[in-house]
Amino acid sequence: AQSVTQPDIHITVSEGASLELRCNYSYGATPYLFWYVQSPGQGLQLLLKYFSGDTLVQGIKGFEAEFKRSQSSFNLRKPSVHWSDAAEYFCAVGAGAAGNKLTFGGGTRVLVKP
Amino acid sequence: GAVVSQHPSRVICKSGTSVKIECRSLDFQATTMFWYRQFPKKSLMLMATSNEGSKATYEQGVEKDKFLINHASLTLSTLTVTSAHPEDSSFYICSALRGGVSYEQYFGPGTRLTVT
Repeated sequence: AQSVTQPDIHITVSEGASLELRCNYSYGATPYLFWYVQSPGQGLQLLLKYFSGDTLVQGIKGFEAEFKRSQSSFNLRKPSVHWSDAAEYFCAVGAGAAGNKLTFGGGTRVLVKP
Repeated sequence: GAVVSQHPSRVICKSGTSVKIECRSLDFQATTMFWYRQFPKKSLMLMATSNEGSKATYEQGVEKDKFLINHASLTLSTLTVTSAHPEDSSFYICSALRGGVSYEQYFGPGTRLTVT
């Protein structure tokens, strides 16, 4: 069975600083990988996804993630954080047909200091 | 963009009663919808996959008789929590798979259920 680990429960970062969120997965085949952001009162929003091809994936809101098969990782990065990036971030691995059966990590809450 | 709504956003019910949560895809048709449960400060856990016109597929450990799912149309799936107990209190989230666009689910804002 697949699993996802997000080692950091909370991260506090200053506005304008860079951000990296860690994600490690366990999956027997080539994974479908996703990063979602959850803000209060809103549904989870897809930031980016990886299925195949270029291991550096660009997403919305200035985020990118890099798939490293050797490390079973899919870390999310942003060069310069804005106050509006404060939210909960979830990494997920997809299984089943078209990778739609999602297993989520525990989430990382990002706090942004002014 | 693709919008998914849930109703109600918040519900309080008494122990032993049933409560229905609706999930609607507002601007697209969804042959497949998913229901998740999110515990406080915890991740989302997939409960079941809802397919239009057929029975839902439940994940291991999820009681199908307690969590009734009906996907009656291409834009509506409902989750009914039957004979609710305080331990059923949670945040329930649905998502809808947009037909013709693979690999992307659109999530609803969630429903906070409190059973007293």
